[in-house]
Amino acid sequence: DAKTTQPPSMDCAEGRAANLPCNHSTISGNEYVYWYRQIHSQGPQYIIHGLKNNETNEMASLIITEDRKSSTLILPHATLRDTAVYYCIVRVPNYGGSQGNLIFGKGTKLSVKP
Amino acid sequence: DAGVTQSPTHLIKTRGQQVTLRCSPKSGHDTVSWYQQALGQGPQFIFQYYEEEERQRGNFPDRFSGHQFPNYSSELNVNALLLGDSALYLCASSFDDYNEQFFGPGTRLTVL
Repeated sequence: DAKTTQPPSMDCAEGRAANLPCNHSTISGNEYVYWYRQIHSQGPQYIIHGLKNNETNEMASLIITEDRKSSTLILPHATLRDTAVYYCIVRVPNYGGSQGNLIFGKGTKLSVKP
Repeated sequence: DAGVTQSPTHLIKTRGQQVTLRCSPKSGHDTVSWYQQALGQGPQFIFQYYEEEERQRGNFPDRFSGHQFPNYSSELNVNALLLGDSALYLCASSFDDYNEQFFGPGTRLTVL
């Protein structure tokens, strides 16, 4: 089962920041938080990941709380093309010490409206 | 640089048949993972291949098997198809397992 909890849906106005929350209260010390999104009928797309520090790239920012029990993905200026299902994933350690497979929940369906 | 490619894009089979799906990883990637996505659900992990061996497996029956070739491409085989096997099958590649996974567009399998 997924180790994360996300709201099933959110709306955002075009041009505004979209803030997508995720709870992962049982996260372990060596587990990373990953965000992927899936636009309709396409494969999931990697967005960003982090361990405990805030991260930013060209797509988004990831804010992780100090206790690491929750995080927020921020799309600073949402566009219609950002309409997608957003998945927050905590990676499970795998045999050999490497990071494990991705366990997807149902994600948050973000609708960006004009 | 081509990303992850999958073939075929769509496939229709009947119950009891066998199917083989193919995946070519992104250039430079050596790890391939397969996922099944039923309608309205998130992808579910099937298994992962690295160095031509199955490294990790999700909760799927033995009817689901796979293979990785020396060029890192991979196949997913499903035997004795059931109606419930109808889904989007996604392949993802990465360099080893540490880095982010890149997904292909998927193969839509319909079992009648």
